[in-house]
Amino acid sequence: QKEVEQNSGPLSVPEGAIASLNCTYSDRGSQSFFWYRQYSGKSPELIMFIYSNGDKEDGRFTAQLNKASQYVSLLIRDSQPSDSATYLCAARGYNTDKLIFGTGTRLQVFP
Amino acid sequence: DAGITQSPRHKVTETGTPVTLRCHQTENHRYMYWYRQDPGHGLRLIHYSYGVKDTDKGEVSDGYSVSRSKTEDFLLTLESATSSQTSVYFCATQGGGARENQPQHFGDGTRLSIL
Repeated sequence: QKEVEQNSGPLSVPEGAIASLNCTYSDRGSQSFFWYRQYSGKSPELIMFIYSNGDKEDGRFTAQLNKASQYVSLLIRDSQPSDSATYLCAARGYNTDKLIFGTGTRLQVFP
Repeated sequence: DAGITQSPRHKVTETGTPVTLRCHQTENHRYMYWYRQDPGHGLRLIHYSYGVKDTDKGEVSDGYSVSRSKTEDFLLTLESATSSQTSVYFCATQGGGARENQPQHFGDGTRLSIL
């Protein structure tokens, strides 16, 4: 069973701090990884994706991928209360158009 | 997002009745997906389509069927609804091209309650 694991949280950080969200995956053949943000009662919205080892930055967000350790992370710099949401990690395996989702990490940013 | 419209947005129905959910997209995306989302389980794939009339099962396909007669529409049918199918259903689409560059985009969801 191919799995994507996330700590359910909540992860609580103060406003202005860096929030670090982590994700591990079991399928070593996974090719690309996606981070989605989901506010309560809303649909998932794409934050960013990564498929090469290393870091990828987009504004306040940085995705990090370490394929050897089967580990993906999302860093949110200068966290704001509006970043409070559930963050979903998803992995796409080799030669497939299907995504496997983790159950999400709930982030709380307090003023 | 990505011009995806799900209908209805909310539905309450009774056990044993058939239910059809519709997903309509205006992006001409090749791939379409149906997920359900339940507390503690995250998003689980029900069925997906990789082209008109081309569909395949996901991990939780029992009790569901799908049809895609044209690129823009993907229908999910619960033949005889059960209370265990009470959930939030999301449709997603994905464009063609290199897989590593293609994220999925989600519709607003349908909240389905089966009494």
